[in-house]
Amino acid sequence: ETGVTQTPRHLVMGMTNKKSLKCEQHLGHNAMYWYKQSAKKPLELMFVYNFKEQTENNSVPSRFSPECPNSSHLFLHLHTLQPEDSALYLCASSQETRANQPQHFGDGTRLSIL
Amino acid sequence: DQQVKQNSPSLSVQEGRISILNCDYTNSMFDYFLWYKKYPAEGPTFLISISSIKDKNEDGRFTVFLNKSAKHLSLHIVPSQPGDSAVYFCAASVTGNQFYFGTGTSLTVIP
Repeated sequence: ETGVTQTPRHLVMGMTNKKSLKCEQHLGHNAMYWYKQSAKKPLELMFVYNFKEQTENNSVPSRFSPECPNSSHLFLHLHTLQPEDSALYLCASSQETRANQPQHFGDGTRLSIL
Repeated sequence: DQQVKQNSPSLSVQEGRISILNCDYTNSMFDYFLWYKKYPAEGPTFLISISSIKDKNEDGRFTVFLNKSAKHLSLHIVPSQPGDSAVYFCAASVTGNQFYFGTGTSLTVIP
């Protein structure tokens, strides 16, 4: 499914680097999400945007900075990450938040922090 | 504290037989439940959902059962096919608010 596209698919960075993850959805949805999936742990919600406004920040450290310029695009800016931030980062979208509708996921970015 | 649990990390089933994947939850306020399927190197794909006003929802070979009194959700796949081999995640929410996911069950369908 190409409804939600994430780039890059893989990223290796040092702890002092700055990089950004990109997500784009072609489904006409109004809500977008960032999740983190670490090994053997459930998906953890990081951020929620609804109609470009951030509605949820699940106590995420400030070294992760989201940006949502429009309903189709979502970025996650990374700065001074720690080794424990190595994980799969998944973007998702849905028609809107707070409605009984499924979220549609991208294929994720596998992030490794050296 | 995990609100959604999948206690079986893996399951193997013969092709043509039934696969039953289980999920337990702790929050009685959850009213919307989903199952996702994930192949390696791909994101989770939505499979089937059920709202708390129902106890069963069926879509082709996939049926989800909800037992609210037991706070238990199950996914039945029948007949199982080799292409069903994947990791299955259950998720739950209160009216589409934050979704809580289980850790997944890896299903292997043996030809």
